[in-house]
Amino acid sequence: EVRLLESGGILVQPGGSLRLACATSGFTFNDFAMYWVRQPPGKGLEWVSATSGGAGTPYYADSVRGRFTISRDISNNTLYLHMNSLRDEDTGMYFCARGSSINTGIIDNWGLGTLVSVST
Amino acid sequence: DIQMTQSPSSLSASVGDRVTITCRASQAINTYVAWFQQRPGKAPKSLIYGASTLHSGVPSRFSASGSVTDFTLTISGLQPEDFATYYCQQYNYFPLTFGQGTRLDIK
Repeated sequence: EVRLLESGGILVQPGGSLRLACATSGFTFNDFAMYWVRQPPGKGLEWVSATSGGAGTPYYADSVRGRFTISRDISNNTLYLHMNSLRDEDTGMYFCARGSSINTGIIDNWGLGTLVSVST
Repeated sequence: DIQMTQSPSSLSASVGDRVTITCRASQAINTYVAWFQQRPGKAPKSLIYGASTLHSGVPSRFSASGSVTDFTLTISGLQPEDFATYYCQQYNYFPLTFGQGTRLDIK
């Protein structure tokens, strides 16, 4: 069974940094693309970042490019999102998701999410 | 960026009804469309990919179709657990983009 479990969400001040983690199990981690998708309170879904399997090519939304970095640790099957220069508008639930293949494209499984709050 | 516009934004229906949600892309995206269901306070769930293919385990009362720019999601014989918000998403180009969501409420 595919399992994705996010952690690391907390209350942080604007300009601060945070690292989210997504612990995975039930599949060969490096064989699948992975995604981060966020949802501001009361609003819709917004794609944040993705990484292909294998070489791990990263992709970013314009709103986070240069501030966020996606990475994966194959030794412990964990996906990360390193978040710097946080802004109020980065507040929301952050979901980790798995692609259906090594290439980016179809999302087939989702984690439960971790809440990031950026506020003074 | 490709804009995905869903309609309606919300609708009310009864158990047993048939409902259809539409999604229009701002440019041609072949059939690279997915549909997701999100119940209140829960994570999204993947329903459809490739515009019309159900993910494993998704009930057959869900169906979808479309290509190029116009797509539909239909739920036939609504069940109580189907009352949720539904999102379309294109994955033909980065940035991946979602529709604004359609909230389906019990009438």
